[in-house]
Amino acid sequence: TQLLEQSPQFLSIQEGENLTVYCNSSSVFSSLQWYRQEPGEGPVLLVTVVTGGEVKKLKRLTFQFGDARKDSSLHITAAQPGDTGLYLCAGTYMEYGNKLVFGAGTILRVKS
Amino acid sequence: GAVVSQHPSRVICKSGTSVKIECRSLDFQATTMFWYRQFPKQSLMLMATSNEGSKATYEQGVEKDKFLINHASLTLSTLTVTSAHPEDSSFYICSAREWDRTEAFFGQGTRLTVV
Repeated sequence: TQLLEQSPQFLSIQEGENLTVYCNSSSVFSSLQWYRQEPGEGPVLLVTVVTGGEVKKLKRLTFQFGDARKDSSLHITAAQPGDTGLYLCAGTYMEYGNKLVFGAGTILRVKS
Repeated sequence: GAVVSQHPSRVICKSGTSVKIECRSLDFQATTMFWYRQFPKQSLMLMATSNEGSKATYEQGVEKDKFLINHASLTLSTLTVTSAHPEDSSFYICSAREWDRTEAFFGQGTRLTVV
């Protein structure tokens, strides 16, 4: 069983639709980050969450961190073609030192 | 702030040769650097973690004699792929983190092609 599960793996939607990406773990996160990556480039940090129940907003993106700090979600409202990319959640765990563990990633394609 | 520069962005080398990839933190001191490998349309696979001045810690299945990592200063880490083979062709990405920060910032990645 993977330590960190991310779903869905692929998402193809029409412009204007909403979507949610999920990140779940069997262990408690010390912190969790969401990244977005475009082809041929490195991931770009979107947000960091550390407090259980935390909600952060970045324009049309809403990030939630579960109360138990074992799950997180990324919700995009009114998706646009420019949102297309690979979305990655990554967490750090107390028991694994300072390693950043990545989820499998979600490939999002927004069609116009 | 928090800029990580990785060089080169693309490299093509012949089988049997070695290739060095550099990762620099430009505006902060990176006490920890991570090296990842990424296959097309897949997530990042952690290869090793390096702390400044210490030997790198390699993930299971990663050959430390093949992927040499040096983190000699707080702003520079290098990954050397030794005796490269076509199966080593991949996208390699580094990330860097300051000692008191939870976030890691990534370089632009290096596309390695071994012919």
